[in-house]
Amino acid sequence: QKEVEQNSGPLSVPEGAIASLNCTYSDRGSQSFFWYRQYSGKSPELIMFIYSNGDKEDGRFTAQLNKASQYVSLLIRDSQPSDSATYLCAVHGSSNTGKLIFGQGTTLQVKP
Amino acid sequence: NAGVMQNPRHLVRRRGQEARLRCSPMKGHSHVYWYRQLPEEGLKFMVYLQKENIIDESGMPKERFSAEFPKEGPSILRIQQVVRGDSAAYFCASSPQEGGVEQYFGPGTRLTVT
Repeated sequence: QKEVEQNSGPLSVPEGAIASLNCTYSDRGSQSFFWYRQYSGKSPELIMFIYSNGDKEDGRFTAQLNKASQYVSLLIRDSQPSDSATYLCAVHGSSNTGKLIFGQGTTLQVKP
Repeated sequence: NAGVMQNPRHLVRRRGQEARLRCSPMKGHSHVYWYRQLPEEGLKFMVYLQKENIIDESGMPKERFSAEFPKEGPSILRIQQVVRGDSAAYFCASSPQEGGVEQYFGPGTRLTVT
């Protein structure tokens, strides 16, 4: 079992729709969860982080965390073609050494 | 505010040569992390450093790879005797405090070994 799992996609949604990206993790002691956006050929850009169970909203983005189910998701409302990218889920595990464990990423395509 | 800086952005080395990758963290950040992204693969942690200390090098290959973060100057990731399998994007990230909370990535160095 991979430590952090994401569906590789591609996930295709029409412009203006809600895109839902999902991530599961295996380390039950994980404390911090991050979503990064990576455009092709570019570096990861931090877009959301969440530490507590529940929802966290920032503009068009909502991160959702359910520690009991070891599940974290990212919702993108009113999707735009510029949101087309690979979205990486990252987990700061219980080892507390600082390293982030990344999923393989989900490719999102927003079609005009 | 300058972000994380890495240089060079692109590096071409022949097999057997040495590669030196540099990273300057964001202003006010004292924690540096190196990650590698192989083609069609995810980001993999390599090493976590603070000034003059290696905190976690569990992701570093046992041979040919080393990292440092001196008291003055940038962090350096050094790859000796490069092989084609070392071709990848190497990213540096920094955070303001211990524990890796909210790491911000630099633009990366794309290493090509010919």
